[in-house]
Amino acid sequence: GAGVSQSPRYKVAKRGQDVALRCDPISGHVSLFWYQQALGQGPEFLTYFQNEAQLDKSGLPSDRFFAERPEGSVSTLKIQRTQQEDSAVYLCASSLAGSGPQGFGAGTRLSVL
Amino acid sequence: AQKVTQAQTEISVVEKEDVTLDCVYETRDTTYYLFWYKQPPSGELVFLIRRNSFDEQNEISGRYSWNFQKSTSSFNFTITASQVVDSAVYFCALKEIQGAQKLVFGQGTRLTINP
Repeated sequence: GAGVSQSPRYKVAKRGQDVALRCDPISGHVSLFWYQQALGQGPEFLTYFQNEAQLDKSGLPSDRFFAERPEGSVSTLKIQRTQQEDSAVYLCASSLAGSGPQGFGAGTRLSVL
Repeated sequence: AQKVTQAQTEISVVEKEDVTLDCVYETRDTTYYLFWYKQPPSGELVFLIRRNSFDEQNEISGRYSWNFQKSTSSFNFTITASQVVDSAVYFCALKEIQGAQKLVFGQGTRLTINP
């Protein structure tokens, strides 16, 4: 597609519920990134894929967070047993290769009640 | 460790004024990229510029200009003759050229242009 597409745009979850956030990167982009943006803060890195390989997951805050990109295109970020502190906007970005500027999606706003 | 600091949390100016957004960074890497992104209310981060650490030439694009000074580790962004449509949150970011591919962002500056 023309840009990075994320769904859903908004998600409300009850504490303890599992959620799955989807990212459709720009067609042909090898690199895919997930970031977490808390209210009033800058985005913080979560994880990075090159094709289907997850090369860096150093930013995932706990083992409740899991990301996959099985066919090197669409990616899913899964959060198990959601907590209130998981409430944030989750941004997905993609780029052609390492040095290229990352194109961002509009994000999924997750609210955990 | 890498760090980006945007000391100005919020700036408010009247339309047509010039405004400068400050960005100071820390890195042990000798080669890196610096970026500016704009985040309008829709939430999508819009890429504005990428600067290579080898290139300290300032850049101008229309009403936008960027001043990169390696000696002071700063990469400031100036909007000339500001317009209401420039209202947004602006982020400065840093990325290694070798090694980790992630962007390290500052906390952002919320810019409001009043008519």
